[in-house]
Amino acid sequence: EPEVTQTPSHQVTQMGQEVILRCVPISNHLYFYWYRQILGQKVEFLVSFYNNEISEKSEIFDDQFSVERPDGSNFTLKIRSTKLEDSAMYFCASRAGTGYQETQYFGPGTRLLVL
Amino acid sequence: GNSVTQMEGPVTLSEEAFLTINCTYTATGYPSLFWYVQYPGEGLQLLLKATKADDKGSNKGFEATYRKETTSFHLEKGSVQVSDSAVYFCALVDSGGGADGLTFGKGTHLIIQP
Repeated sequence: EPEVTQTPSHQVTQMGQEVILRCVPISNHLYFYWYRQILGQKVEFLVSFYNNEISEKSEIFDDQFSVERPDGSNFTLKIRSTKLEDSAMYFCASRAGTGYQETQYFGPGTRLLVL
Repeated sequence: GNSVTQMEGPVTLSEEAFLTINCTYTATGYPSLFWYVQYPGEGLQLLLKATKADDKGSNKGFEATYRKETTSFHLEKGSVQVSDSAVYFCALVDSGGGADGLTFGKGTHLIIQP
């Protein structure tokens, strides 16, 4: 069964450093997402991406964040200058079609720790 | 805005007990409702969903009915197993304004004891 994959599974970085989190969505899916989950808190939507551009973003997704689909398979989240409060689990998700009610399939997550 | 409220855990039950995890929501449009499950060390997996009022989603013995009149989507299972121990998230996606990010509840940690 196709699945969303994410790398790395864990990343430790110093405050102020740039990090890139990588995701490979399910092949032939059209919509891509990033979410984050700070330890002990709810899963929060960051951004959605369709047709090579951002479709929607939350207030969390400020100028330090960016997303890119550099080739036909990868989908990346870049944090330009990490802060302590960026420490969280980051989930990538993908959705097949254009219906908002369709299922979003999640990857296993990348646990980011900013020191 | 949209929001999801679910009972906070941990919820501890004995094996074969009946499970209910409450979930209520507020939404501006016509939401679709989901239950996701997160097993220890793993990502979020879709458990079940319902896309319109009175729909019942079901999977692996779990059920939830979309109740528009009470804005609820409570998760139930008749006889839980130790393997059901996980964190359960209620979520919605709304139809309004092109918004397609899921709104999640805080999650309910379920512990099933043998």
